[in-house]
Amino acid sequence: GESVGLHLPTLSVQEGDNSIINCAYSNSASDYFIWYKQESGKGPQFIIDIRSNMDKRQGQRVTVLLNKTVKHLSLQIAATQPGDSAVYFCAENDGGFKTIFGAGTRLFVKA
Amino acid sequence: EPEVTQTPSHQVTQMGQEVILHCVPISNHLYFYWYRQILGQKVEFLVSFYNNEISEKSEIFDDQFSVERPDGSNFTLKIRSTKLEDSAMYFCASSRVTAQETQYFGPGTRLLVL
Repeated sequence: GESVGLHLPTLSVQEGDNSIINCAYSNSASDYFIWYKQESGKGPQFIIDIRSNMDKRQGQRVTVLLNKTVKHLSLQIAATQPGDSAVYFCAENDGGFKTIFGAGTRLFVKA
Repeated sequence: EPEVTQTPSHQVTQMGQEVILHCVPISNHLYFYWYRQILGQKVEFLVSFYNNEISEKSEIFDDQFSVERPDGSNFTLKIRSTKLEDSAMYFCASSRVTAQETQYFGPGTRLLVL
């Protein structure tokens, strides 16, 4: 698809399994973190966010974990479905007006 | 559900020509953004706009780029003299009150510079 990279890290999971997508962020001053999902040919879609005063936040079938000590963010998707197949980006914001996106991970869900 | 819209969906232009990309952010949102995504790469921040002025811009957003809110609903990105390397998907986004909350993205405009 148009928005899917040729050399992205790829995670392939079986339908129904849990998926974990990891992200390392660079700016220790970042205090707001977001996960976006991007399907082929579409714009990024907000999934879940977390602020730096939390280390875990849960949504519907998704959980974000934040480890500020090692500057690591993860997205857990429970009971992964074929519709979850997409590229997932983490993004960070340090309180300003600029949001910086990570490189992205492509998730393949096998039926 | 309100959504960000962008026009055109595709734009082909000759190198050196000016292009204007159009966006209609969500109506009660106050913060507006432009991002670009070169094919196969990550989404890159270009500029944020609040209260009728640029609040932050990246190093990509040089003098060839400008943004404008010509009326109460539209938000435009102008590239004055396009270069081959400007070929990319351009996404507009908006958020309601701050930059540290959900940003809603439009479907994008695919710009191809020949």
